[in-house]
Amino acid sequence: GAGVSQSPRYKVAKRGQDVALRCDPISGHVSLFWYQQALGQGPEFLTYFQNEAQLDKSGLPSDRFFAERPEGSVSTLKIQRTQQEDSAVYLCASSSDDRGDEKLFFGSGTQLSVL
Amino acid sequence: EDQVTQSPEALRLQEGESSSLNCSYTVSGLRGLFWYRQDPGKGPEFLFTLYSAGEEKEKERLKATLTKKESFLHITAPKPEDSATYLCAVGLRGYQKVTFGIGTKLQVIP
Repeated sequence: GAGVSQSPRYKVAKRGQDVALRCDPISGHVSLFWYQQALGQGPEFLTYFQNEAQLDKSGLPSDRFFAERPEGSVSTLKIQRTQQEDSAVYLCASSSDDRGDEKLFFGSGTQLSVL
Repeated sequence: EDQVTQSPEALRLQEGESSSLNCSYTVSGLRGLFWYRQDPGKGPEFLFTLYSAGEEKEKERLKATLTKKESFLHITAPKPEDSATYLCAVGLRGYQKVTFGIGTKLQVIP
């Protein structure tokens, strides 16, 4: 497909469990972003990659959150020891631009529910 | 502190009833202002980028405008398929990330 693909679409985790969320960006896109969207809110920035380099991780809420993009394409967002407040939709977006001027293409997100 | 505020939070229109959504921003060094549309269960979909005060862009029934303090998304003669949440976002100079507002949930009734 030509779009950004995220998996799984839904994830239910027990509190304290580790989870891994995957993002397949559009082929050739340099920039990749992770956002967190709580119900009824706008997306909140988590982290940014340019190719394989993580250039901005200022939005990661705690050291339980970790993201990687080892080969500059697929990215994984990992959340360790999940808490109920981690319940949200996690959105991945990619862009062909490295200046931030181009539009972002978003995936449909992974809805995480922590019980 | 950089802020993006959207109003109203929700808007209900009759089909064909034109209106405007507001996005006000307080940021240092605006790189660009972005409008996105988000349907339930989907990620945001890009609509427009505006870079400088006075700039306008149009797409079908939508027109976005920008001043030094706010942006408007004008919807002319809306149709039910225009129902969605409209998100405003700002990008700052020196940063690749964009900061989103809370959105305006638009419902167009036939």
